[in-house]
Amino acid sequence: RKEVEQDPGPFNVPEGATVAFNCTYSNSASQSFFWYRQDCRKEPKLLMSVYSSGNEDGRFTAQLNRASQYISLLIRDSKLSDSATYLCVVNMGDYKLSFGAGTTVTVRA
Amino acid sequence: DAGVTQSPTHLIKTRGQQVTLRCSPKSGHDTVSWYQQALGQGPQFIFQYYEEEERQRGNFPDRFSGHQFPNYSSELNVNALLLGDSALYLCASSLPGLAVRETQYFGPGTRLLVL
Repeated sequence: RKEVEQDPGPFNVPEGATVAFNCTYSNSASQSFFWYRQDCRKEPKLLMSVYSSGNEDGRFTAQLNRASQYISLLIRDSKLSDSATYLCVVNMGDYKLSFGAGTTVTVRA
Repeated sequence: DAGVTQSPTHLIKTRGQQVTLRCSPKSGHDTVSWYQQALGQGPQFIFQYYEEEERQRGNFPDRFSGHQFPNYSSELNVNALLLGDSALYLCASSLPGLAVRETQYFGPGTRLLVL
C-alpha cells in the first residue's frame, strides 16, 4: 500500500465553482501534513499546512481526520489561476516528506 | 533573499554515465533533501543531509550518493545511469528545527534525460 494516496482527477470545474478532494495516508504515526501546489513543469510550492482542528487560508480550507487517516482540501470560488496539480504531503516524523501522486485541477472560463 | 537554486536546469546523458547535480539552499537553511519525480508521480525522497552527514535515506540504490559542503550546499551523484533514472530531480531546503514541523522549500529542479 502506498504511504499517501490521492484521487488523480482530473477535476474540471468552471470559474467560481467549489472543488474538493481528499487524500489518505497509511501510517497512523504521521505527525504533520501539508498541501503543496505544483504547476506544469515547475517545482512544488507550499500551499498550506494542515492542522488537527482544520484551517483556512483565503479561499482554501484544509481538514484532517486522524481517525480515518485522510486529509481534504476545498477550494471555493475557483479562479483560472487555481489550475494546477495539488500534492498531499505527509511527514512521519523521520525527516522525509511523503508525497501523493497529485490531484489535477483545471478551472475553465 | 535567494530561494533554493539548482544547476544545471537540464541534462542529457547516456546509459552507464555518471551525473552530478548541485543545489544551494535558501538563505538561513542548513538542511538539504533530494527528491526524484518521475512523470505523473509525486516526488520520492532520496536522502537528506544535515551537518554534512546523510541523516535519512529513502529506498534508492547505492548508485545514488550525495554530499553536503560546509556552506550547506549539496550535490547529488548518480552512477551507472539507467533509462529509469530519467526524471525531475528536486532539491529542498529547510531549517533544522523539529523535523515534524519544518516545511521544506523546493528549488526549480534539474530535468535529467537518460538515453
